[in-house]
Amino acid sequence: GQQLNQSPQSMFIQEGEDVSMNCTSSSIFNTWLWYKQDPGEGPVLLIALYKAGELTSNGRLTAQFGITRKDSFLNISASIPSDVGIYFCAGQLMGQGAQKLVFGQGTRLTINP
Amino acid sequence: GAVVSQHPSRVICKSGTSVKIECRSLDFQATTMFWYRQFPKKSLMLMATSNEGSKATYEQGVEKDKFLINHASLTLSTLTVTSAHPEDSSFYICSAMGHYTDTQYFGPGTRLTVL
Repeated sequence: GQQLNQSPQSMFIQEGEDVSMNCTSSSIFNTWLWYKQDPGEGPVLLIALYKAGELTSNGRLTAQFGITRKDSFLNISASIPSDVGIYFCAGQLMGQGAQKLVFGQGTRLTINP
Repeated sequence: GAVVSQHPSRVICKSGTSVKIECRSLDFQATTMFWYRQFPKKSLMLMATSNEGSKATYEQGVEKDKFLINHASLTLSTLTVTSAHPEDSSFYICSAMGHYTDTQYFGPGTRLTVL
């Protein structure tokens, strides 16, 4: 099935560093979402973006919906140990029934204390 | 608000048996529920979409006779893996969406192991 191109696939950083990850697609989306998944758990919604160009923050997290509607990025500032996990972008397709989501491959974040 | 539960969290079964997984929206009415499958270190793949009171819509390549979905009420959907085989072992995750939102809220997942 269709997938978003998410990069990087993994990141190894020091505590306190900033993190940036992004997703691109050949398709246009009307909504972009960013989720975090801890091992053995379901994804938890971090940020939802509804308008092209929208820039939204949630604490130390900031995400933007690209102007072309085909990309989005997520930044995490001043990383802390609890930020460890897998981050997924997801796009909600235009013109599709039931607001189906298409997920990126995920970015695995590891933090060295 | 917007809590989704799944039961069981883990299940181990013998090959050839059927397993039922429940997905419940605890504090809202879910008009639409989605079932995903996730392999280790992989992303979520949508299996099917179910609307309350109607038949589920399956994604291409998903066997509807193998993965039976029932959405009998606005707070409960079930996924039954019939005649399970080891290749059906996976992490199954549901999500739910209510009347007035386009946001999907995810359950904690069910780890299925078929011996």
